[in-house]
Amino acid sequence: DGGITQSPKYLFRKEGQNVTLSCEQNLNHDAMYWYRQDPGQGLRLIYYSQIVNDFQKGDIAEGYSVSREKKESFPLTVTSAQKNPTAFYLCASTPGTTNNEQFFGPGTRLTVL
Amino acid sequence: AQSVTQLGSHVSVSEGALVLLRCNYSSSVPPYLFWYVQYPNQGLQLLLKYTTGATLVKGINGFEAEFKKSETSFHLTKPSAHMSDAAEYFCAVSGLNTGGFKTIFGAGTRLFVKA
Repeated sequence: DGGITQSPKYLFRKEGQNVTLSCEQNLNHDAMYWYRQDPGQGLRLIYYSQIVNDFQKGDIAEGYSVSREKKESFPLTVTSAQKNPTAFYLCASTPGTTNNEQFFGPGTRLTVL
Repeated sequence: AQSVTQLGSHVSVSEGALVLLRCNYSSSVPPYLFWYVQYPNQGLQLLLKYTTGATLVKGINGFEAEFKKSETSFHLTKPSAHMSDAAEYFCAVSGLNTGGFKTIFGAGTRLFVKA
């Protein structure tokens, strides 16, 4: 079945550590996205990529980094510079043409101890 | 810039009652509009979308929404609530003003269904 997978589902991190969240899709979609979700704030865009080897900052990119070396993969690194990283992180993809619905992964809940 | 406002962070209805979740958007050009549903600790899934054409859009699970340009609204309704409808609902917009590839989400409305 086609879809988006995210791993791990739950992640615990000590302060000062970098962690990488995985996002893989087998939908052959061109565009991929990372969102952060906090209670009562909806989804905020961290980074997005329209094509391999290219990505753009979203609204809250500080303290995060991404790479897009393969079409199907878009990992997100939460660095120690991110002051409040505890949140639910969602990865999504679209076929690449504009104004399409987004397909979401199941999410990763990151908790900083 | 485009924005989305969902009126009411929490809505509570009785089972069998009408569900109405409100969404207003701001856009200087015709937008594309979406409603997504999220169950606890899961990703979002599409309920329905409006792109062009008929302004009354039917989605999954008996939900529908009507695009009203004059009111800049896209409210979500369901005639009869079911316990399984309890979830969080997000209205979203995309279009030229969001750069096409970007989608702007509302803050979400959590729906509670009472037995």
